[in-house]
Parts: sequence; structure tokens; C-alpha cells
Amino acid sequence: NAGVTQTPKFQVLKTGQSMTLQCAQDMNHEYMSWYRQDPGMGLRLIHYSVGAGITDQGEVPNGYNVSRSTTEDFPLRLLSAAPSQTSVYFCASSNRDSHWDEQFFGPGTRLTVL
Amino acid sequence: RKEVEQDPGPFNVPEGATVAFNCTYSNSASQSFFWYRQDCRKEPKLLMSVYSSGNEDGRFTAQLNRASQYISLLIRDSKLSDSATYLCVVNGAGGGNKLTFGTGTQLKVEL
Repeated sequence: NAGVTQTPKFQVLKTGQSMTLQCAQDMNHEYMSWYRQDPGMGLRLIHYSVGAGITDQGEVPNGYNVSRSTTEDFPLRLLSAAPSQTSVYFCASSNRDSHWDEQFFGPGTRLTVL
Repeated sequence: RKEVEQDPGPFNVPEGATVAFNCTYSNSASQSFFWYRQDCRKEPKLLMSVYSSGNEDGRFTAQLNRASQYISLLIRDSKLSDSATYLCVVNGAGGGNKLTFGTGTQLKVEL
């Protein structure tokens, strides 16, 4: 099993550009989440999904969109990048029995917005 | 007050030492508690869940004190490989069924 994979590992954007961060998991987990991690702050939940076709907002959803068309994939879209979105983004998944318990994280995407 | 609060450290300890971290949470209705480990520039990984009765996994012991709203992590016989950031994570700290992450406590184990 590859676990949770994320692409790209690094990305530099200019203000106003859009892009999609990819996340996939091969553990057949129903629950998937996106977090951002900034210096001096804990991981903050952006969006999450409890299954294909179902998504919901987390703590800091503004400026981001998600969709969940399959169990495996949960892409995060930045609509119009801003310097405040410079961060490390982690995708995570968990199974039904441990929904908000053990989260399996991907390796992260380091995003810089100039 | 932050929903989940940790001393950022760093804690610099010699190999073989015992070190303890505390974490406080603001919502008394919080449901479950965890310690995650995060190595430099890597993703967080679950270290252990924290149960009301306390639990132990090898050199690691976690305790929960609901009355005082804190959890602790004790590491005995520290190894160089224990150097990492330890994240306190609480389900329900912010209300609702979501995880709230502390900012982490950095541990450096030295020869």
C-alpha cells in the first residue's frame, strides 16, 4: 500500500494563479481531510469529506474548494492564490471506525505564493 | 485562551533522560485525546491515544486528567531517535467532532 500520496511536493505560485493539490489514498478510507500547517500554529482543518460525494467546511475554508468524486481522491483547489495561503498542506485519511481518531497523513505539499 | 496549548520548547535532554510534556485543553466536553509525533519536514504520525485510565507503550506513558483538563506524555530512557516535535491533539476541543492540534513541543535528545 502506498498509503496517502500527495502531489506536487513543492509549488511556487504567483498571486492570483489557481492550482489543484492532489491527494489519493489506497486504504479504502471513507474519511479524508485537508489541513494547513503554519509556523507557530497547529494544523488547521480546511475541508473534509465523510465519503464520496460529501464534503464539508473545516476551520479555514475560505479560498479553497474541494470535491470527492471517488473514495480514493480528494483534490484541493486554490481558486486565486494569495500570499496568506503560503503554507504546508497535508491531506489525511481515516477509516469509519476511527473517524476522528487515527489520521494517516500524506507527506505534504509546500506551497509558496509570491 | 487557545483551545489546545503546549509549551513549544525546545526541550534539550541527554540520552537516557526522562522527559515529560504537558498539554492543556479548554473545552471540558472534549471527547478523545492523542499524541502525534512529527519529524522535521515530515507528516505527523499517531504516537498513541490517551485513555482516562492512562496507557503505556514501551518507554512512552500517556495520562489524562479530565478534572484539570490536561494530558501528559512521559518518555523514559530517551533515545536520539526520539528527537521530534510532539503534537497534542484533542477531539472536540473547539466544539463538535473535529480534531484540534496543538502547536507542538520540540524535543532534542543529545549525546
